[in-house]
Amino acid sequence: EAGVAQSPRYKIIEKRQSVAFWCNPISGHATLYWYQQILGQGPKLLIQFQNNGVVDDSQLPKDRFSAERLKGVDSTLKIQPAKLEDSAVYLCASSPPGLAGRTDTQYFGPGTRLTVL
Amino acid sequence: KQEVTQIPAALSVPEGENLVLNCSFTDSAIYNLQWFRQDPGKGLTSLLLIQSSQREQTSGRLNASLDKSSGRSTLYIAASQPGDSATYLCAVGYYTGGFKTIFGAGTRLFVKA
Repeated sequence: EAGVAQSPRYKIIEKRQSVAFWCNPISGHATLYWYQQILGQGPKLLIQFQNNGVVDDSQLPKDRFSAERLKGVDSTLKIQPAKLEDSAVYLCASSPPGLAGRTDTQYFGPGTRLTVL
Repeated sequence: KQEVTQIPAALSVPEGENLVLNCSFTDSAIYNLQWFRQDPGKGLTSLLLIQSSQREQTSGRLNASLDKSSGRSTLYIAASQPGDSATYLCAVGYYTGGFKTIFGAGTRLFVKA
């Protein structure tokens, strides 16, 4: 079974520029997550989708971050404009369907390392 | 508010040693607890998942225990090997206005040959 795919793997941009990340979850996984992991910290959830609907985006900085999940499959995360503090690894994860929207094991992609200069 | 803490932040041990990594959480009303491994530049790999009704899970040389009442989980690694060198993350799943997962900052483990 193919794992969670993410691209690009690395991205370097200047502050105030825009950037987009792409994630393709494991086939059949209804739940998709975007996490931000700053160096030395654990991943922090930015947004969670159930199929193509948003379940939780309470920690997403909506003034600059946006995300969508087209047709309940692939997802893109965008930052516009980027700030220095956005430098981090952006991880995508997916989970198979669970009972009443509950989540079991999450499968993670390799992440995109973003450096903002 | 749920908070997850991992101690120690870093650990260096000689090969062959048995070791324990600790994870504590502030709210015992959890749904599950998961231990992950993260290698440098890589994503997270799930090691063990413990549901709230379980006390422990085992996989090979790894054993994870859960004590909800005290808000603690431990990951025991037997006969450590250099290949075990990685960062180990604890993640707590719980419900508050929807299902959420919160991670600890991790323990960086280095096993010396």
